[in-house]
Amino acid sequence: DSGVTQTPKHLITATGQRVTLRCSPRSGDLSVYWYQQSLDQGLQFLIQYYNGEERAKGNILERFSAQQFPDLHSELNLSSLELGDSALYFCASSVALAGLTGELFFGEGSRLTVL
Amino acid sequence: QQQVKQSPQSLIVQKGGISIINCAYENTAFDYFPWYQQFPGKGPALLIAIRPDVSEKKEGRFTISFNKSAKQFSLHIMDSQPGDSATYFCAAVYYNQGGKLIFGQGTELSVKP
Repeated sequence: DSGVTQTPKHLITATGQRVTLRCSPRSGDLSVYWYQQSLDQGLQFLIQYYNGEERAKGNILERFSAQQFPDLHSELNLSSLELGDSALYFCASSVALAGLTGELFFGEGSRLTVL
Repeated sequence: QQQVKQSPQSLIVQKGGISIINCAYENTAFDYFPWYQQFPGKGPALLIAIRPDVSEKKEGRFTISFNKSAKQFSLHIMDSQPGDSATYFCAAVYYNQGGKLIFGQGTELSVKP
């Protein structure tokens, strides 16, 4: 158990809808990262927050947004969903800015299916 | 834009054999090179990592070899076991971008008994 909690574990929704994925980082970790994992794209970095502030942005679509709250949990909002958004979404956390050791602690992911 | 290229995509090895996974990177600004292991239904977990000023790092049966001039690094799993069957991801870290990790495409390793 990595200590990172993601909810929901599975989510099925329809095209055009909006969903929110939630992540609770390990106790004491200030950095939260979001990754998208699909079969053809591997693990794609979406966005990173550190102590409530956005620190790095990757290939995150404009339809997607995220934030980190004062209690350090984070939410990833996906809107106007398309079939291609179906993927496993991982949250990861680290104590500081990643990992000066390169170590991130990953949750078990939220599997999103868009029908 | 894939900045870390990993091969092979899949690998089948007999028990006791050596598994070798290769990665190449483009950006010399990367600061650290970790490998992650992912079992089905689980998130990736750090396996071993190396700094670019080190040519080799060994932890148990797992060894990273790093060639800075060629911008390549590889993971060797000695005496591969069925329990090593998993997906392996190489990665590269940008310290000055908040420690962002860029992952390779992943290698699905299957170790046959």
